Parts: sequence; C-alpha cells; structure tokens
Amino acid sequence: DSGVTQTPKHLITATGQRVTLRCSPRSGDLSVYWYQQSLDQGLQFLIQYYNGEERAKGNILERFSAQQFPDLHSELNLSSLELGDSALYFCASSRVGGDQPQHFGDGTRLSIL
Amino acid sequence: GQQVMQIPQYQHVQEGEDFTTYCNSSTTLSNIQWYKQRPGGHPVFLIQLVKSGEVKKQKRLTFQFGEAKKNSSLHITATQTTDVGTYFCADTSGNTPLVFGKGTRLSVIA
Repeated sequence: DSGVTQTPKHLITATGQRVTLRCSPRSGDLSVYWYQQSLDQGLQFLIQYYNGEERAKGNILERFSAQQFPDLHSELNLSSLELGDSALYFCASSRVGGDQPQHFGDGTRLSIL
Repeated sequence: GQQVMQIPQYQHVQEGEDFTTYCNSSTTLSNIQWYKQRPGGHPVFLIQLVKSGEVKKQKRLTFQFGEAKKNSSLHITATQTTDVGTYFCADTSGNTPLVFGKGTRLSVIA
C-alpha cells in the first residue's frame, strides 16, 4: 500500500462528457503529480502541484485541468472527452518534489465509449 | 526537452536467465530513479542513483550509473516469475518533474 488513494478505480463515460478524478496523497507529502498511461505506453506527465500551487506542466491538454486543495488532495478534471482520452490515470505524491521518490496510487481507468 | 531512451522495449527470458535493461540519454542526467510496474499495478519506486559510476544492489537486482552520467542499467540475476513487469527509468532534474523512459517489459517463462 503506497498510501496514495485514487478514486474512482474505474470510470466509463461517453464522448463529450466531463469527469473528475480524485487523489489523496500520502500523509506528509506536499507534491502531487498526475500521469496518463495509455495502452503499451509509458508514463506521460501531465501536471504537478506543490502545496496548493501549480509547480510544473507537461503535455496536458487544454481540456484538462487540475487543482490541489488546502488539505492537499488533488482533482484532475477532464472535459469534452474524446475516445483517445481512454487511459489509466495515475496520481503520485512525494515529500517535496524534484528528486524525491514518487509514490503512486492504484490509478483510475477511464474508458470512453 | 530531456529524453531518456530505454532498451530493449520487450524482453522474454527463461526463468533462471539474467536480464538487463538500459537507460540512455544524450545529455547528462541529474539523478536516475528506477521503478517497477507489475501487470495491472502501479509503478513502485525501486532505487535512486546519484553519483557517477555508482553501483547499488538489491538482492538479485544490480543498478549502475554510468561514469559520464548519461546512462544507467538494471541487471537482474537468475530471473524469477515474480520479476515480471515493466521497468522504468526516470531522470530527475532538480525541481522539474521526472522524465520517464518508455520502459522495458519483462516476461519470464517458467
């Protein structure tokens, strides 16, 4: 158990819809990262938050947004969903950031029909 | 941006054989982290290498950082079925997020 909690585990929705993925980091971790993993693909970094502030952005689409709340949990919002957004979305957390080891949640599997 | 290339992409071995995956970069790496993702699971941190030429061992796993800090390797001696999964290397560059390689998927045939 990594201590990182992601909900829901599975999500099935239709094109054009909007969903919210939730992540609670390990106790004491200030940084939260979101990754997208498509079939047979590596981990694509989306965005990082540190103590409530956006720290870094990766290849995140404009249709996607995220935030980190005062209690340090984070939400990833995906809107105007397309078939290609079907993937496994991981949240990870670390004490601070940079070269700290990251601890991953079990992921949310998003299926767009 | 910084890219790390991992080879091979796939590796199938007989149980008991050795396995090595390589992580290469055209630029100097800051630190290297290695992660393992079991099928259906999430990435799990294995180790971090910091120093040029560093070698670390975890039981049957040996991690090495190149002298020029442009490459790293993970070697597994006498693979077991529990070693099945995808092994990722990731470059850490101070305050920027990790840059993951595409991973090497290891299959072990019993």
